[in-house]
Parts: sequence; structure tokens; C-alpha cells
Amino acid sequence: GAVVSQHPSRVICKSGTSVKIECRSLDFQATTMFWYRQFPKQSLMLMATSNEGSKATYEQGVEKDKFLINHASLTLSTLTVTSAHPEDSSFYICSASPGTGGYEQYFGPGTRLTVT
Amino acid sequence: AQSVTQPDIHITVSEGASLELRCNYSYGATPYLFWYVQSPGQGLQLLLKYFSGDTLVQGIKGFEAEFKRSQSSFNLRKPSVHWSDAAEYFCAVGPDNTDKLIFGTGTRLQVFP
Repeated sequence: GAVVSQHPSRVICKSGTSVKIECRSLDFQATTMFWYRQFPKQSLMLMATSNEGSKATYEQGVEKDKFLINHASLTLSTLTVTSAHPEDSSFYICSASPGTGGYEQYFGPGTRLTVT
Repeated sequence: AQSVTQPDIHITVSEGASLELRCNYSYGATPYLFWYVQSPGQGLQLLLKYFSGDTLVQGIKGFEAEFKRSQSSFNLRKPSVHWSDAAEYFCAVGPDNTDKLIFGTGTRLQVFP
């Protein structure tokens, strides 16, 4: 099956620094990638949708200057949390879609971000 | 606005017992409905989906779900639970003409031997 990886799986950073999370589709080309945020005991909340080679589309309430998304190739998207603060601590999950329709998305294992 | 509700935060069952996880949605038209399972250290895995047609859909790992329009529900069932089914289960809805998914808050399933 289609595999999506995320790196790192866990990261701790100091407040005010930036951290980059990578999302890779390992065995297929992803025309669209999605970034989600998951709070403890809560749902996955879509942050943004990115298409290869174009700017990401952010959901309402998500600061695009804080959460920079780059989808530079058909197999790689990155999420950079800039000037991180403790409230940015969360579980970030990406998914990748091969663009074949039918809401087909393959999810990465997630990245646990802790900002101290 | 579309929404998904999973009323049960945590369910505990004995191995071999039957299982039903509830999911209710709020959406004007017939939505696209999904069930995903999330195990620690792994990405969400699609169990099954409903787009149209037969309202009883079969999925992987012995799961099935039934779409009931009158109740706005899409409950997940399994006749006999295995210890390996312990995980977090998410119901999701896909609004028409988008590729976005709206997730419920999840139900954590615990299985006792």
C-alpha cells in the first residue's frame, strides 16, 4: 500500500525557535498534501491543503505566517512552525493524496512537537 | 456547517465480544463517510468508506458500517473483537466537491482478554 513518512517523529524545541517537519510519500506521487493538527483527546483539525508547486490554502484561523508550508515536489511537503510557543505544542499529521479522487488520502504517523 | 459527532470517547470490550462504535454527522446532502483507525506510531488507516449505493459497507479487518440517512448515522461494527483492534477510531465526512475530510473526536477502544 501507499506509504507516507514523517520526520521527525518527535521534536522538542525552545520557545522562539523554528522547527521543520517533513512529509514524504514514499511510493507514489502526491499531487495534494494535507496538514492536520491533533490535540489530546480531540479530533484532527485540517490546517492547510497544499498542491505541488503552488501556495498552500490555509483553513480559517490558521496563521499562514506562523505555519509555513512548502510543497516543493510531488513527494515532499514541509511544515515549518516559526517562532514556536508552548501553545504550538501538538501532534502534527500529514496526509498525501495521489489525486485519483474519491478522497483518497494516506496518512503519515505524525510528529509530536513539544515547545518548552 | 458540516460536523461529525462520536458520542463515545472510550469503549471497553472483552475479546470476542461484538462492537459498535457510533458516528453521527450533520450535512445537508448525502455525504461521503469514512472510518479510520489510528494505532500508536502509525498513520491513520482507512477501514471503509461510503459514497453511494448499498448502505451496508464492508471494510478491512472484518469491520462493517451501515449508513442510515434517517438517523444521520454511520456506525461501525465488528462481530468479534480481537485484542489487536485496540486503537483510536475516527469517523470522518467528506463534503461534496472537496477533498477535505472533517473528523470526529475519536473513540478509544480498549480490549480486555
